[in-house]
Amino acid sequence: EPEVTQTPSHQVTQMGQEVILRCVPISNHLYFYWYRQILGQKVEFLVSFYNNEISEKSEIFDDQFSVERPDGSNFTLKIRSTKLEDSAMYFCASSSGTSNEQFFGPGTRLTVL
Amino acid sequence: AQRVTQPEKLLSVFKGAPVELKCNYSYSGSPELFWYVQYSRQRLQLLLRHISRESIKGFTADLNKGETSFHLKKPFAQEEDSAMYYCALREDSGYALNFGKGTSLLVTP
Repeated sequence: EPEVTQTPSHQVTQMGQEVILRCVPISNHLYFYWYRQILGQKVEFLVSFYNNEISEKSEIFDDQFSVERPDGSNFTLKIRSTKLEDSAMYFCASSSGTSNEQFFGPGTRLTVL
Repeated sequence: AQRVTQPEKLLSVFKGAPVELKCNYSYSGSPELFWYVQYSRQRLQLLLRHISRESIKGFTADLNKGETSFHLKKPFAQEEDSAMYYCALREDSGYALNFGKGTSLLVTP
């Protein structure tokens, strides 16, 4: 059964550095999402992406963040100038339609030191 | 504003006992409600959604618009039901899933 994959599983970075989190959505899906979960808190929506543009974003998704679909398979989340509070589990998800099930990846644990 | 509330952080029941995980929401439009489950060391996966009106793994959930609730129920809990359960809401014409904080269900023998 096709699954969403994410790399790396754990990323450690120094405060102020840039990180790129990578996701490979399910191949025939058209809608892509990023969520994050700070330890002990709820899963929070960051952004959705369709047809090569952002379709919706939360107030968390400020200028520090950007998303890209650089090729036909990858979907990336870039975090510039990381802060301690960016430490979280970041989940990628994809769906075949807006009202269809969102399938989640296993997550990337980002630790900012 | 918090849209989805799961009042119980942890729920512990004995095997064979009924279980109800509570979820309340606040939204004035026509939301779509979901239950997602995360088993130990596994990814978030959809358990059920209110528009399907089906039972998955013995679980059911009914959307009560009057009480703005979408409680998850199972008449006889099994040990393999132990997991983290998240209630989520999607606004009409929206993309984002708004999650509750989750309830950890522990089913003991």
